[in-house]
Amino acid sequence: QVQLQESGPGLVKPSETLSLTCSVSGGAITGYYWSWIRQPPGRGLEWIGWIFYRGNTNYNPSLQSRVTMSVDTSKNQVSLKLNSVTATDTAVYYCAKGRDGYNDWGQGTLVTVSS
Amino acid sequence: IQMTQSPSSLSASVGDRVTITCRASQVIRSDLGWYQQRPGKAPERLIYPASSLQGGVPSRFSASGSGTEFTLTISGLQPEDFATYYCLQHDYYPRTFGQGTRIEVK
Repeated sequence: QVQLQESGPGLVKPSETLSLTCSVSGGAITGYYWSWIRQPPGRGLEWIGWIFYRGNTNYNPSLQSRVTMSVDTSKNQVSLKLNSVTATDTAVYYCAKGRDGYNDWGQGTLVTVSS
Repeated sequence: IQMTQSPSSLSASVGDRVTITCRASQVIRSDLGWYQQRPGKAPERLIYPASSLQGGVPSRFSASGSGTEFTLTISGLQPEDFATYYCLQHDYYPRTFGQGTRIEVK
């Protein structure tokens, strides 16, 4: 079974860019869709978007102007960038394998937006 | 698409039968999954699509529905089932989750 591990800074200042990496092990990135989902503390899940291994993307319109996803097949990694962050972007960020449902998830990483 | 889950929380005892409902603001066919999330953990998929149990998920979990109304039933609640449950529609973009149903110990 594939394993996913999110990594990146746990603290980001307001107006700066949140950058996270999802490292995939136990399987290849090629041939699959990779999604990002987030969860503010104590709240529900929000779909951020997905990226296909070829670079095709689909983002949540509520975040589209600030989100960029990329894939590095040589490193078996998927990346998420969210710019101009505010406190409302504080959340646990998950990467997951798939487009229409997710059987494989990372453990999640908490990103706090604060000065 | 808005996914309205009910109830938002419920209190139950081990052995109880519980049912959670998810209503979509428009028809989503059977393009829906159910997830369980324990505190501090990533969600785990239980059902996908609509009524198909994922491998390894106990048979006390079942789901049904299509169109706009979907239900998840746990028949014979076990201690490890006290968690939060979410539905997720994947018929339209953006994908949307229900707001969650927390099952608590009575």
